[in-house]
Amino acid sequence: AQSVTQPDIHITVSEGASLELRCNYSYGATPYLFWYVQSPGQGLQLLLKYFSGDTLVQGIKGFEAEFKRSQSSFNLRKPSVHWSDAAEYFCAAQPNAGGTSYGKLTFGQGTILTVHP
Amino acid sequence: DTGVSQNPRHKITKRGQNVTFRCDPISEHNRLYWYRQTLGQGPEFLTYFQNEAQLEKSRLLSDRFSAERPKGSFSTLEIQRTEQGDSAMYLCASSGGGSPLHFGNGTRLTVT
Repeated sequence: AQSVTQPDIHITVSEGASLELRCNYSYGATPYLFWYVQSPGQGLQLLLKYFSGDTLVQGIKGFEAEFKRSQSSFNLRKPSVHWSDAAEYFCAAQPNAGGTSYGKLTFGQGTILTVHP
Repeated sequence: DTGVSQNPRHKITKRGQNVTFRCDPISEHNRLYWYRQTLGQGPEFLTYFQNEAQLEKSRLLSDRFSAERPKGSFSTLEIQRTEQGDSAMYLCASSGGGSPLHFGNGTRLTVT
């Protein structure tokens, strides 16, 4: 079955420290991959996406993610975390349908990020 | 682009009552999705429309759930005879024209 796994339920970092959030996927073929962020009581905002090509993807708010086919991973990184980055982060995937057609997403369980001053 | 709008933001209902939620997608988006999110979990797909046609339904969508999208514009999600297990955040998203899924702020349902 297709699935997305985020191994870390909760991560705490100090402001200014670097961040890496892990995501692994299990699909027959490499899916399209996404990272979303959700603040309390809010909907999800897209940070970045990977369809194909360059395996290092830049997103909004200074985030980047690296796709590693050999590890079935798509980890999210940020060099220096700000207090406003505290939120819940979701990795998501959809089957590769060719082109840039967006469709049904399967989400991981989420990682809650706490930022200490 | 006014974003995806969901109403109401919160709904408290007693077990056994019917509830209806509304989603207004971004106007030019032809695809509309409903997801359910329970505490500590990621969103789970419920159903999907392309224009007015409901093209896919999850097994999570029991017979008590029904969704419509008349005229391919706004959508409603109705839950009949609510149960405590229906308590969750119900998220709507829309996409189209090469745009990725845009999510609304959700409707939080509490069944007492």
